[in-house]
Amino acid sequence: DTAVSQTPKYLVTQMGNDKSIKCEQNLGHDTMYWYKQDSKKFLKIMFSYNNKELIINETVPNRFSPKSPDKAHLNLHINSLELGDSAVYFCASSQKQGATPLHFGNGTRLTVT
Amino acid sequence: AQSVTQLDSHVSVSEGTPVLLRCNYSSSYSPSLFWYVQHPNKGLQLLLKYTSAATLVKGINGFEAEFKKSETSFHLTKPSAHMSDAAEYFCALVGFQKLVFGTGTRLLVSP
Repeated sequence: DTAVSQTPKYLVTQMGNDKSIKCEQNLGHDTMYWYKQDSKKFLKIMFSYNNKELIINETVPNRFSPKSPDKAHLNLHINSLELGDSAVYFCASSQKQGATPLHFGNGTRLTVT
Repeated sequence: AQSVTQLDSHVSVSEGTPVLLRCNYSSSYSPSLFWYVQHPNKGLQLLLKYTSAATLVKGINGFEAEFKKSETSFHLTKPSAHMSDAAEYFCALVGFQKLVFGTGTRLLVSP
């Protein structure tokens, strides 16, 4: 199936741990994104990459580090997890930078205890 | 700055009755606007988009939206709600190199 896929779907971990979320798209898109959805359902962009190059970094703490080994993958690594990091993280892709619509993955629900 | 405002956090309708989800936007140039739907534990799915062509845009599942520049609105409508329409709906606008989302409207559909 053509899609944006994220793993894992659920992630439960303790404060202070380091965790990663993986994202892959097989749509042939050039641009990938990470969005964070908080408990009130508000969606905010965190990062975007175009062809492995960082384009947007929206005042996200340094504990969050995206990595794009190739244009089909955009992983998110989070160091020293905090309670406030609990949220649903969505990966998305678009054909070109600044192009829409976005195609979203099904999200990763991160719970920090 | 570009922004969208969804005026209702929750909308409740009965099955078979019309749906109206409101969205107002602020943009310094001609906007591109979108409606997305999010079902529980799922990602966002594109319902429809406006990109300066026809002001009445038809989307999937019987939804449509009308772009009204004079009112800076892009309200989502459906003539007859179905139980499967119960979900969270997001209005979005293209900002600088990114989509800017509204805060969402939860649509509740009762039998």
